[in-house]
Amino acid sequence: AQSVTQLDSQVPVFEEAPVELRCNYSSSVSVYLFWYVQYPNQGLQLLLKYLSGSTLVKGINGFEAEFNKSQTSFHLRKPSVHISDTAEYFCAVTSISGSARQLTFGSGTQLTVLP
Amino acid sequence: EAQVTQNPRYLITVTGKKLTVTCSQNMNHEYMSWYRQDPGLGLRQIYYSMNVEVTDKGDVPEGYKVSRKEKRNFPLILESPSPNQTSLYFCASKIQARGEQFFGPGTRLTVL
Repeated sequence: AQSVTQLDSQVPVFEEAPVELRCNYSSSVSVYLFWYVQYPNQGLQLLLKYLSGSTLVKGINGFEAEFNKSQTSFHLRKPSVHISDTAEYFCAVTSISGSARQLTFGSGTQLTVLP
Repeated sequence: EAQVTQNPRYLITVTGKKLTVTCSQNMNHEYMSWYRQDPGLGLRQIYYSMNVEVTDKGDVPEGYKVSRKEKRNFPLILESPSPNQTSLYFCASKIQARGEQFFGPGTRLTVL
């Protein structure tokens, strides 16, 4: 079984400030990790993913995330946020074993960027 | 344009009245899934399909059925909807196990 915990349900931050959205996972096997973004009244869009290789992953819109296997974390960061980054962000995990069929999501973090 | 489409986008129905939400993708993806999104719970997988005629339960399959008779279509069926199935539903597809999931625009279902 696998699970994902997003530690903050709401993160308010001022424009041009840095932000970190935290994600911890639990799994008995190795995993692939994802961050998705959901803008208001829209579906989910992939921000970035970790499959293997370098633990620092760069995604779209200036976001990056670092995979830390010992701490089972995959925190999302951006050095300077914009108003347009206001959205809900979801961390997700799927096991490497088998066909990686089941994708488990965290409960989401609402990022609100303030002017 | 590569996309996942869902219909209807909005649906209000009454308890016990069977309904189907359609999902179609034009990317020739093998994998398709259904999720429901509820406040504070994130997205939970209902069912997934690895290919035609191959489906399996996700985390919350009770009260739902699916079928995969064609590669592009993956309808979600509620035989006897109940108010606790009021939710926002997303269909998604991907080409392979490690691939990116593409999500549809969502279907907001209200069961009275």
